[in-house]
Amino acid sequence: EADIYQTPRYLVIGTGKKITLECSQTMGHDKMYWYQQDPGMELHLIHYSYGVNSTEKGDLSSESTVSRIRTEHFPLTLESARPSHTSQYLCAAGQGADEQYFGPGTRLTVT
Amino acid sequence: AQTVTQSQPEMSVQEAETVTLSCTYDTSESDYYLFWYKQPPSRQMILVIRQEAYKQQNATENRFSVNFQKAAKSFSLKISDSQLGDAAMYFCAYVDYGGKLIFGQGTELSVKP
Repeated sequence: EADIYQTPRYLVIGTGKKITLECSQTMGHDKMYWYQQDPGMELHLIHYSYGVNSTEKGDLSSESTVSRIRTEHFPLTLESARPSHTSQYLCAAGQGADEQYFGPGTRLTVT
Repeated sequence: AQTVTQSQPEMSVQEAETVTLSCTYDTSESDYYLFWYKQPPSRQMILVIRQEAYKQQNATENRFSVNFQKAAKSFSLKISDSQLGDAAMYFCAYVDYGGKLIFGQGTELSVKP
């Protein structure tokens, strides 16, 4: 089972700021994912990676960007935060076409 | 495109009773995986149970079991002997061989003491 870590857990930030949400995993899984989830709602895939130097956009359009320089690290960056970015962001990792293991999430509020 | 539908936004069950959460999906694939995830309030998403499409036998994990009907594209979750700790949002999910998870809308389960 993978250990998935996300920091910060909670973030309140003003409009226009640049932010990076961190995600790391310790089990060496090739595939990593970022989901956006509004409270009580379904998850939407915004980015995924199948390995180092591989990044793809998900089904939900997002103004964020990601990078995958190391297997264990998959950060998500918002260059200029807006109130519409207020949401929960969940990171996950997995191997093959099997289950994904989720991090605890980052609750982002943009004022 | 694959879709997952959970038609019950909310469900309620009495403690120690049994409840069934419904899920249907649409896909043209023949091999895939299906999952039920549990998301307690303000807590981490955790896997409850998984089903491989090529296996006809329904998966079971302690008090949790599924009724997988491949032809009908139905994948319901049964929780037996419900406990207070079962209260959470439950998501049905489909994953294809590319590894992308597609989630349903979620069912919020409340457990009454």
